[in-house]
Amino acid sequence: ETGVTQTPRHLVMGMTNKKSLKCEQHLGHNAMYWYKQSAKKPLELMFVYNFKEQTENNSVPSRFSPECPNSSHLFLHLHTLQPEDSALYLCASSQDLVGSTDTQYFGPGTRLTVL
Amino acid sequence: AQSVAQPEDQVNVAEGNPLTVKCTYSVSGNPYLFWYVQYPNRGLQFLLKYITGDNLVKGSYGFEAEFNKSQTSFHLKKPSALVSDSALYFCAVRRPYGQAGTALIFGKGTTLSVSS
Repeated sequence: ETGVTQTPRHLVMGMTNKKSLKCEQHLGHNAMYWYKQSAKKPLELMFVYNFKEQTENNSVPSRFSPECPNSSHLFLHLHTLQPEDSALYLCASSQDLVGSTDTQYFGPGTRLTVL
Repeated sequence: AQSVAQPEDQVNVAEGNPLTVKCTYSVSGNPYLFWYVQYPNRGLQFLLKYITGDNLVKGSYGFEAEFNKSQTSFHLKKPSALVSDSALYFCAVRRPYGQAGTALIFGKGTTLSVSS
């Protein structure tokens, strides 16, 4: 589990705040992902990056803004969120997007509460 | 469209008994199937995957899964359950090669509760 780290582990923010979630992987991978895990719902893919380039935005509202400065780091910038955005946000990485057998490794997640 | 179904929200077993967590899938082409486990306040941990080859796949912590193509199932099993196996289990399928991104499509999860 230490291969992918996420900070902070818990975050409480108001609807007018701006905050950022950070993910770092120490596995030498080239693909990184953001997932949202809400209670009673399946994990939802939000964004996919491969070699720092965004390859997928799964119809995510613009109040979520990802950034991938290099293959090891992934950020999720948050602004003017809504209470329904409260969830566990999970980061994952895999070797790359070409290898169809690649396993994704997950971080511990950031528990976000929007007041 | 690719999808996985976990028909049981919760599975209860006694320690020492065998356990099965069910998963069925719907894919076009060859399925690439995964099982993950999530402990409270933790991220998902990889257990095992099926890509090709033997229908019985062995993974971490004594878990195994049986791929059944005719029944489109990939059930997770363990011969003897431990209390520490209590957690949330997710089945997942990888989207076909060639689609933008090869991210996983997850089932809704099954809570396994092992009683002592």
